[in-house]
Formats: sequence, structure tokens, C-alpha cells
Amino acid sequence: ETGVTQSPTHLIKTRGQQVTLRCSSQSGHNTVSWYQQALGQGPQFIFQYYREEENGRGNFPPRFSGLQFPNYSSELNVNALELDDSALYLCASSLDRRIETQYFGPGTRLLVL
Amino acid sequence: AQSVTQLGSHVSVSEGALVLLRCNYSSSVPPYLFWYVQYPNQGLQLLLKYTSAATLVKGINGFEAEFKKSETSFHLTKPSAHMSDAAEYFCAVSRYSGGGADGLTFGKGTHLIIQP
Repeated sequence: ETGVTQSPTHLIKTRGQQVTLRCSSQSGHNTVSWYQQALGQGPQFIFQYYREEENGRGNFPPRFSGLQFPNYSSELNVNALELDDSALYLCASSLDRRIETQYFGPGTRLLVL
Repeated sequence: AQSVTQLGSHVSVSEGALVLLRCNYSSSVPPYLFWYVQYPNQGLQLLLKYTSAATLVKGINGFEAEFKKSETSFHLTKPSAHMSDAAEYFCAVSRYSGGGADGLTFGKGTHLIIQP
């Protein structure tokens, strides 16, 4: 049990729609990172939020955006969904951006039809 | 840029045998290295991490890994495999302890199969 929860667990959307995925960080963790894991692949870094501001970003287009709230919850928003966005989305919380303190949630599996 | 190569997308061992999962990394600076395990339909669980202290790192469930700078490797081992070890294993590297510019860079994973 990592103390990191994600909702929903599964989601089906159609191409062109928008989706919001939610993450609740471990208490006291002021940093949240989001990863996309396509089937059969390792996770890929989307971005990180630290104290409610984007702190770093991977190679993902602007239609992937995020929010982090003072209560240690966060959101990943994806606009104009594409078929290739089908994946497991993982959030990970950590303390003060220190990767060695990072814990992952169970993920949200998104299917885009 | 940093990268991780995991040799062998599938590794099969007998129950009770040695487990060896290979990981080589590329990093322009001294790296932070991690091994994660993922069971079906679950998130990632940290097995162990190297953060520039001891080069031999012990983790959970009897796993350990050795950081070898000269070989740019961080192989994962376990002396005796158990059926419950069957899972997907990911090696990951980061340039930073703090700072999130890159996040973690993961390998493609190795699927560990345990034969009874």
C-alpha cells in the first residue's frame, strides 16, 4: 500500500473526446509526476508538478495538461483523444521532487475507441 | 539524454534457481537507478534504488542489485526464485534526485517466468 490512489480504474472514451484522470498523493507529498505506459512498454514521463506548478515535462504535446491542488490531489487532462492515447496512466507522488521518495499509484487504464 | 536497456524481454527460470535480470544504462552524469516490479493489472512497486551510497543495494523480497560504473550496469538478482516472483520488472534511471525535468526513464521491461 503506497498511499497513492487513482480514479477511475478503467475508462473508455472515443477519439476526439476529452478525459480527466485523478490522483490522490501520499499525505505530505508536494510533488506529483504522471507517466503513460502503453501496452508492452515501460512507462514514459509526461510531466511533474511541484507546489502546484509544472516543474518538468517529457515529450508530450500540449493537449496533455495537468493541475495540482493544495490538498495533495492532482489531475491529468487529455484533450482531443487519439487512438494512441490508449494506455495505463500512472501517477507518482514524492516529497520535494526527490525521486528516491517516489511512490506510484495503481494506475488508470484508458481505452480510446 | 539518458537511456536504459533491459536485455531479454522474457526470462524463464525454475523455481529455486538464481534470477538474473540485466539492465544497462546511459547517463551523462552519475545516475540514480531503480528497479520496479509490476504485477498484472497493478501499478509499479519499488524493489530497490541506488542513490550513490553503497554499490550493492538490497531490496525487498530478497532481491539485490549491484551498481557497476565501469560496465554501466545495474543487474537485478535473487538467489532463489519463488513462484510469486513472476511479474514484469522495470529498470529506470534518473539524472536527478531533486528536480523533475526528465522524470524517470524506464527500460522496456523484462517479463519473469517461473517454471515449477
